[in-house]
Amino acid sequence: QKEVEQDPGPLSVPEGAIVSLNCTYSNSAFQYFMWYRQYSRKGPELLMYTYSSGNKEDGRFTAQVDKSSKYISLFIRDSQPSDSATYLCAMIYTGGFKTIFGAGTRLFVKA
Amino acid sequence: DTGVSQDPRHKITKRGQNVTFRCDPISEHNRLYWYRQTLGQGPEFLTYFQNEAQLEKSRLLSDRFSAERPKGSFSTLEIQRTEQGDSAMYLCASSTGLAGNTGELFFGEGSRLTVL
Repeated sequence: QKEVEQDPGPLSVPEGAIVSLNCTYSNSAFQYFMWYRQYSRKGPELLMYTYSSGNKEDGRFTAQVDKSSKYISLFIRDSQPSDSATYLCAMIYTGGFKTIFGAGTRLFVKA
Repeated sequence: DTGVSQDPRHKITKRGQNVTFRCDPISEHNRLYWYRQTLGQGPEFLTYFQNEAQLEKSRLLSDRFSAERPKGSFSTLEIQRTEQGDSAMYLCASSTGLAGNTGELFFGEGSRLTVL
């Protein structure tokens, strides 16, 4: 069983839709939770990070962490074609140095 | 451009040949990572350097793989006697490693390896 599970999709939505992306994990020692965005043929770039449980909002993006359920989510409001990319959830232990990534969900936003 | 740079961007080689990838991290970053990414998968950790010291290697890194970071600056990843299963994107990332840092990784654009 992988430490981090993520549905690879693909997920196709119309422009303006609300997108929900999710990951589950097995190890309760994870404390930092991140979402990276990866465009085709590019390296991943950090989109958002959250420490422990709770919500964090940044513009059209909201990250949620539910440590009791070992479940994290990323919501994208008013999705745009430019949001079309692969979204990778990622986690790291407190004091750790190794980031563990999910498989990534491919998102297509149709104009 | 002061981001992470990787070279070459794409390497095609025949099975059994040796290949070497280079990574130049962001200059003030003391942590450097190598990850491998195959189609439809997320990046998988290979190895990690803090300055010039290699502190961890994944079990994915067989004896055919070796990484170095002389003088704590650029890093090289060498694959000897390549196999078709080595075909992947090799990603380099760096971070500051400061206390309280979230560990945000800054990735290069990757070196794609195709083994024929």
